[in-house]
Amino acid sequence: LAKTTQPISMDSYEGQEVNITCSHNNIATNDYITWYQQFPSQGPRFIIQGYKTKVTNEVASLFIPADRKSSTLSLPRVSLSDTAVYYCLVGDDTDKLIFGTGTRLQVFP
Amino acid sequence: EPEVTQTPSHQVTQMGQEVILRCVPISNHLYFYWYRQILGQKVEFLVSFYNNEISEKSEIFDDQFSVERPDGSNFTLKIRSTKLEDSAMYFCASSASSEALSGESYEQYFGPGTRLTVT
Repeated sequence: LAKTTQPISMDSYEGQEVNITCSHNNIATNDYITWYQQFPSQGPRFIIQGYKTKVTNEVASLFIPADRKSSTLSLPRVSLSDTAVYYCLVGDDTDKLIFGTGTRLQVFP
Repeated sequence: EPEVTQTPSHQVTQMGQEVILRCVPISNHLYFYWYRQILGQKVEFLVSFYNNEISEKSEIFDDQFSVERPDGSNFTLKIRSTKLEDSAMYFCASSASSEALSGESYEQYFGPGTRLTVT
């Protein structure tokens, strides 16, 4: 079974870059790594997804090393509205989906 | 933008009662999921469903749980005899493809959730 670990919380100020890392071992070799954002009392919302190396979209970048035992979500120039919990989602080697432990990001003005 | 909907938004039930949580996935999606989130904890995978059968299920998804796609639009989660520890937010999600397909990307769209309170 895959085990995922994320920092419990992070603080940042508006305009700064934030990097959140998820450690995950025993993930499925053919599955993507996905990151979600969750606001209180809402369902998770897709941010970005990647298989390896680097992926960038309009809101974030995702860095995945060759061994795929971790991934780092990078949020450029965060704003107050980025205050949320961020989860990685991976598939383990038995095809079960595992959410990370979640990182609560607090952005200050 | 298409979205996943769930009803009810909040369900209160007594221990031992049966509950059915309903979801309407995005219309052209083929893969459906249920997740649970106990207050203050992380999101936990319950079950995935494709082609009218369960694809994968977690250890949480025991005999008291069942899923069904009774028609072309609804996807339901039934809890047969609720326990106090079943109190949680239950999220439905759907995707156009599945990570089980070799190397194929997918994105799961989540519904707003149903808050289940068992008293």
